[in-house]
Amino acid sequence: DAGVIQSPRHEVTEMGQEVTLRCKPISGHNSLFWYRQTMMRGLELLIYFNNNVPIDDSGMPEDRFSAKMPNASFSTLKIQPSEPRDSAVYFCASSLSQTGNTIYFGEGSWLTVV
Amino acid sequence: RKEVEQDPGPFNVPEGATVAFNCTYSNSASQSFFWYRQDCRKEPKLLMSVYSSGNEDGRFTAQLNRASQYISLLIRDSKLSDSATYLCVVNGMDSSYKLIFGSGTRLLVRP
Repeated sequence: DAGVIQSPRHEVTEMGQEVTLRCKPISGHNSLFWYRQTMMRGLELLIYFNNNVPIDDSGMPEDRFSAKMPNASFSTLKIQPSEPRDSAVYFCASSLSQTGNTIYFGEGSWLTVV
Repeated sequence: RKEVEQDPGPFNVPEGATVAFNCTYSNSASQSFFWYRQDCRKEPKLLMSVYSSGNEDGRFTAQLNRASQYISLLIRDSKLSDSATYLCVVNGMDSSYKLIFGSGTRLLVRP
């Protein structure tokens, strides 16, 4: 079975540009998570969706960040405008929305903003 | 206080050694506990869930102490391939679906 699929795997962009990260969760999973990982702050939950509905976006750093999940098999995380401090690895993860269920991560999108 | 705290390490041990990591969590109402493993430049992957009675998976043993709010991971007969960062994971204060990751403990196993 395919795991969580993310694209792009690597992106280098200039400050001020719009960045869109994409995620396809595991088929049948109804919870989707976006995490950001940096050396300084570790893994931080940005937002999670349950049944395509955003449940908690309290981790989204600021208005420059937005996330959507138009259907059960696709989500995007957008940064506009991007800044150098947004450089990080962005992981998408999915799970069945039951307490204690394992979440499965994609391979991550490595973002560098110069 | 962080919701999940771990010693960052690194723990540098020889092959065959036994090594243990601890993790403390702040939410006494947490119900779900996991250990994830993350290799360098890779995504985190589930190593094992942690059950109230403790559980074992081969060379790995996980324990939960609710009274003291800590979780432990014991690795016996460590292998070179065990070198990685081990992340303690607990469900968050405001939602059972929201998993909070510790910053990880780095393990280096040397020949």
